[in-house]
This record gives sequence, C-alpha cells and structure tokens, in this order.
Amino acid sequence: DSGVTQTPKHLITATGQRVTLRCSPRSGDLSVYWYQQSLDQGLQFLIHYYNGEERAKGNILERFSAQQFPDLHSELNLSSLELGDSALYFCASSVEGADSRNTIYFGEGSWLTVV
Amino acid sequence: ILNVEQSPQSLHVQEGDSTNFTCSFPSSNFYALHWYRWETAKSPEALFVMTLNGDEKKKGRISATLNTKEGYSYLYIKGSQPEDSATYLCAFITQGGSEKLVFGKGTKLTVNP
Repeated sequence: DSGVTQTPKHLITATGQRVTLRCSPRSGDLSVYWYQQSLDQGLQFLIHYYNGEERAKGNILERFSAQQFPDLHSELNLSSLELGDSALYFCASSVEGADSRNTIYFGEGSWLTVV
Repeated sequence: ILNVEQSPQSLHVQEGDSTNFTCSFPSSNFYALHWYRWETAKSPEALFVMTLNGDEKKKGRISATLNTKEGYSYLYIKGSQPEDSATYLCAFITQGGSEKLVFGKGTKLTVNP
C-alpha cells in the first residue's frame, strides 16, 4: 500500500458526460501528480500541483482540469468525455515538488471507461 | 520531445534465471531517473531514484546501474522468481524540465515456474 488513495477505482460513463476523479496523497506529501495510461501508451504526464498551486502542465486537454485543495487532496475533472478518454488515470504524490529526485508514490489508479 | 525507450518490450524467463533490461534516455541535461515495478491491478511501486553517473543501487535481488553520459540505465534481476513478474518502468527528468517525469512504455517480465 503506497498510501495514495484514489476514488473511484472503476467508472463507466457515457460520451459527453463529466466525471471527477479524486486523490488523497500520502500523509505529509505536498505534491500531487496526475498521469494517464492509455492502451499502448506509456504513462502520460497531465499536471502537477504543489501545496495548492499548479507547478507544471503536460499534455492535458482543455476539457480536463484539476485542482489541489487546502487539505492537499486533489481532483481531476474530465468533461465532454470522448471514447478516447477511456484510460487508467493515476495520481501520485511526493514530499516536495521542486526536486524530483524524491521518490514518487502512485495510487492504484482510476479506470475510466467511456461508452 | 523527450523520448524514453525501454527494451525489450517483453521478456519470458525461467525461474532462477538472471535477466536484465535497458532504459535509454537523452543524455543531455540529465537530472534523475526513476525505476518502477508495476503489477497488474496494483500501483506502480518505486524501486530506485538514480541521480549520479555511475550510480549503482540494489534492493534485494534487483539492482540498477546508470550511465548519464551515454544515456542508459540497466535493471538487473538475479535469480528471477515468479513473483518478479511485472512491468518494469523507467522515467526520466531533465534539469530544468519543469518536474515532468517522462515514462518509457515498460518491459513486461514473465517468470515461468
């Protein structure tokens, strides 16, 4: 158990809908990262938050947004869903954000299926 | 665009065999390399964070080496066991790279009893 908690574990929704994925980082970790794992793709970086502030953005679609709350949990909002958004979405956390030489701990992921 | 290549894509070995696989990354502006072990339906588990050229790290039967000048890292498993079956991922970050880990697609290892 990495200590990173993601909910829901599985989600099936229709095209055009909006979903929210939730992540609780390890106790004491200030950084939260979101990654997308699609078929035949490596883990794709979406976005990084550190202590409530956005630190880095990757290949995140405009239909997607995220935030990190004062209690450090994070949510990834996916809207106007398309079939191609079906993927495993990982959240990860680490103690600090400025130094990626820290170990980064992953949750078990949220499986999203868009039908 | 940063590219991280892992080879082979998949590997089947017999229990007791030793094995190794490769992670190749751009050699310029190296900052850190992470190795992860990922079993299906579980979270990727951090194995090593490697930062210095010539680094060698070990965790039980698993070890890794790093060559930042030529841009590669090797992961070795000695005396493979069925429980070592997993996908092994490496992830690279450049200096000043805005903290984005760039992952390879992984090497899927299957250890047959």
